[in-house]
Amino acid sequence: DTEVTQTPKHLVMGMTNKKSLKCEQHMGHRAMYWYKQKAKKPPELMFVYSYEKLSINESVPSRFSPECPNSSLLNLHLHALQPEDSALYLCASSPIRLGTAQNSGNTIYFGEGSWLTVV
Amino acid sequence: SQKIEQNSEALNIQEGKTATLTCNYTNYSPAYLQWYRQDPGRGPVFLLLIRENEKEKRKERLKVTFDTTLKQSLFHITASQPADSATYLCAPISSGSARQLTFGSGTQLTVLP
Repeated sequence: DTEVTQTPKHLVMGMTNKKSLKCEQHMGHRAMYWYKQKAKKPPELMFVYSYEKLSINESVPSRFSPECPNSSLLNLHLHALQPEDSALYLCASSPIRLGTAQNSGNTIYFGEGSWLTVV
Repeated sequence: SQKIEQNSEALNIQEGKTATLTCNYTNYSPAYLQWYRQDPGRGPVFLLLIRENEKEKRKERLKVTFDTTLKQSLFHITASQPADSATYLCAPISSGSARQLTFGSGTQLTVLP
């Protein structure tokens, strides 16, 4: 079982709604990520947080607003989304220093994802 | 622009055979390459990592090769089982951008009993 917990597992929202996706990890990781995945496509990076500060924003529209209130939590606030934003949203975490050793401490751990449907 | 291609969107093989998945990359000089497994509706799970100076890496029934001249990695599952059915994703990673994982398109493997 993954050690990255995402809630809710499913969310249906209207285009005028405001909702949030939540992510939590207790592995002591100081890097956290949001990915978006459409059907039959690989996950695409949206945001990276390092030490609770936004370090990478892959040109994501402002209707997606990330927040990292502390080292264990990551939120994705959603507002005025479009139907094409419907997808699986994956949270992930990792140690800050990703090296090249074989042990799994150098990799990125993904949560189970939150299925978002915008109607 | 950088491109990662995984051969065949879908691969069907008979139980007990060896599955071979291919990952080709262009306009990359990865320091290492990772392979992940993803089951339907779930997040990817890390399987193996291979460094640019390593030719081969093994873990139980899994074997990964990395040819930086051909710009290709091969992922083998020996003695395949129906439980190996999943989508397999490769992610070549340049040093300094380890946190910006970019995945290949994935290969959906089905192992038939």
